Amino acid sequence: RKEVEQDPGPFNVPEGATVAFNCTYSNSASQSFFWYRQDCRKEPKLLMSVYSSGNEDGRFTAQLNRASQYISLLIRDSKLSDSATYLCVVNEMDSNYQLIWGAGTKLIIKP
Amino acid sequence: GAVVSQHPSWVICKSGTSVKIECRSLDFQATTMFWYRQFPKQSLMLMATSNEGSKATYEQGVEKDKFLINHASLTLSTLTVTSAHPEDSSFYICSASYLGTSGRGGGEQYFGPGTRLTVT
Repeated sequence: RKEVEQDPGPFNVPEGATVAFNCTYSNSASQSFFWYRQDCRKEPKLLMSVYSSGNEDGRFTAQLNRASQYISLLIRDSKLSDSATYLCVVNEMDSNYQLIWGAGTKLIIKP
Repeated sequence: GAVVSQHPSWVICKSGTSVKIECRSLDFQATTMFWYRQFPKQSLMLMATSNEGSKATYEQGVEKDKFLINHASLTLSTLTVTSAHPEDSSFYICSASYLGTSGRGGGEQYFGPGTRLTVT
């Protein structure tokens, strides 16, 4: 079983729609969680951290469910520029700040 | 702030040659730098972690004699792919973190733009 699993997609979504995707992690001791965005042939960029209480940043909402060991990302009023691969990242706090990366979920926003 | 540069951004080389990739933190001192590799449609895979002035810690399956890492200063780390072969063709990305982020679990890694290596 992979440590961090994501549905690879692609998710094809019309512009303006709301889309959500989940990521599951296997290590219950994981402490920090993040969503990164990666555009084609570019480096990943931090989108948002995921806190226990959940957090919202504009059109983006992230949630953490420790009991079920998953995190989610919700994008409202999707824009064409939201097309990218969204990477779920987990930090297990026991290995020198090592991040464990999911393979990413590809999102395509269509006009 | 927290800008990381990588050089070169892309390189094409012949099989058997060595390629050096530089990773620099431009406006902060990076206590730890990480080297990742990403094959198409796959996740980033950590290759090694390096702390300034000490030997890099390599992940299982990564040959330390093939992927030489030097972290000579708090702003520069280099990755040298020795005797490169076509299977080494990949997207190599470095990231850097500094002590101030450690309390947040080290999640704030700042990424360089990546180096696309093609070995022919």
